[in-house]
Amino acid sequence: KAGVTQTPRYLIKTRGQQVTLSCSPISGHRSVSWYQQTPGQGLQFLFEYFSETQRNKGNFPGRFSGRQFSNSRSEMNVSTLELGDSALYLCASSLVGSPTDTQYFGPGTRLTVL
Amino acid sequence: SQKIEQNSEALNIQEGKTATLTCNYTNYSPAYLQWYRQDPGRGPVFLLLIRENEKEKRKERLKVTFDTTLKQSLFHITASQPADSATYLCALVPSGTYKYIFGTGTRLKVLA
Repeated sequence: KAGVTQTPRYLIKTRGQQVTLSCSPISGHRSVSWYQQTPGQGLQFLFEYFSETQRNKGNFPGRFSGRQFSNSRSEMNVSTLELGDSALYLCASSLVGSPTDTQYFGPGTRLTVL
Repeated sequence: SQKIEQNSEALNIQEGKTATLTCNYTNYSPAYLQWYRQDPGRGPVFLLLIRENEKEKRKERLKVTFDTTLKQSLFHITASQPADSATYLCALVPSGTYKYIFGTGTRLKVLA
């Protein structure tokens, strides 16, 4: 079974630009969560999608948004990039998003904002 | 304020010894607590889940304890090996939510 894939793996942008990251979950998984990982703040929950609906949201500004398609693939968008958005963005998929499900993480997208 | 704290310093131990990692939390009522392993340049990998009504869980050389009175979880790796060297993250899921709150992780190095 193929794992969670994320594209692109690396991205360099400048302040003020916007970026879209993509995540393909494991086949059959309907829940996709997004996280931001930085050395200072660790791994922080952004949002979770299930059946094309945002079901849970973390404490991030509205510049961070996402969506999920009918095939469970998900995209995350960050608008008006700031230097502090430089981070590793991870997505994770699970069967239905229950805490007793195993979350499988992708390798991440390393975003650098200059 | 709500916090999850893990040993911020790296933990170095000798091969064969038991590594014990700590996860302390305040102002949460977690229904579940999970432990993950993360290697450099990779996403975290799920290791163990423990529920609030469970005291201890084991899987091969791994053991997790969960003390809701002390608001602490301990993660043990027995007979540690250099291949166990990685960063270990705890994550809790507060009651009534599906949001995962992660600690900042502890870097473990097992010396041969």
